[in-house]
Amino acid sequence: GENVEQHPSTLSVQEGDSAVIKCTYSDSASNYFPWYKQELGKGPQLIIDIRSNVGEKKDQRIAVTLNKTAKHFSLHITETQPEDSAVYFCAGKGGGTSYGKLTFGQGTILTVHP
Amino acid sequence: EAQVTQNPRYLITVTGKKLTVTCSQNMNHEYMSWYRQDPGLGLRQIYYSMNVEVTDKGDVPEGYKVSRKEKRNFPLILESPSPNQTSLYFCASRPQGSGELFFGEGSRLTVL
Repeated sequence: GENVEQHPSTLSVQEGDSAVIKCTYSDSASNYFPWYKQELGKGPQLIIDIRSNVGEKKDQRIAVTLNKTAKHFSLHITETQPEDSAVYFCAGKGGGTSYGKLTFGQGTILTVHP
Repeated sequence: EAQVTQNPRYLITVTGKKLTVTCSQNMNHEYMSWYRQDPGLGLRQIYYSMNVEVTDKGDVPEGYKVSRKEKRNFPLILESPSPNQTSLYFCASRPQGSGELFFGEGSRLTVL
């Protein structure tokens, strides 16, 4: 089945800096890669996603890039703000026998210092 | 308001005392799933359901049961809880054919 590895586990940045979180996946048939943000005491919420036929997607200060050859994808947050502090999870949706199953990475705790 | 509701939000119990965590969604979603979140391990799927009366094991199903008798409800049952089931549990749902999961606010369970 799919295996998703996420790095780093913690990330600390100053307000206004950029933050990058990276994930690798194992299943070359995976075709959907969402990113979820979990604020303290809340459930995860989808912030951006990318499908395997696209290399990059942007939504205001957030962007995701996908390298299918290397089987990795990254979340980029520019001009970080204190409200970006949260736990971020990447995920991959498997193909083949794992079709439809979403496998999550281990999570990254992002702290943005004012 | 479209939402996934879990109850209880917090529970402390003792080993062996059966408990049920309820999950209800009001979005008419076909797919529902339970996850547990543990530090350093991310979100791991326990069970999922593609539709009414259809359930299947996720990655960590041992010690858990589920049922899906109605579309909106997907309870998680711990028949004989053990301390290694102390965790933060999330229920989630999505419509068929969509990728986006909608999560509840979580249920923090402590088994002594």
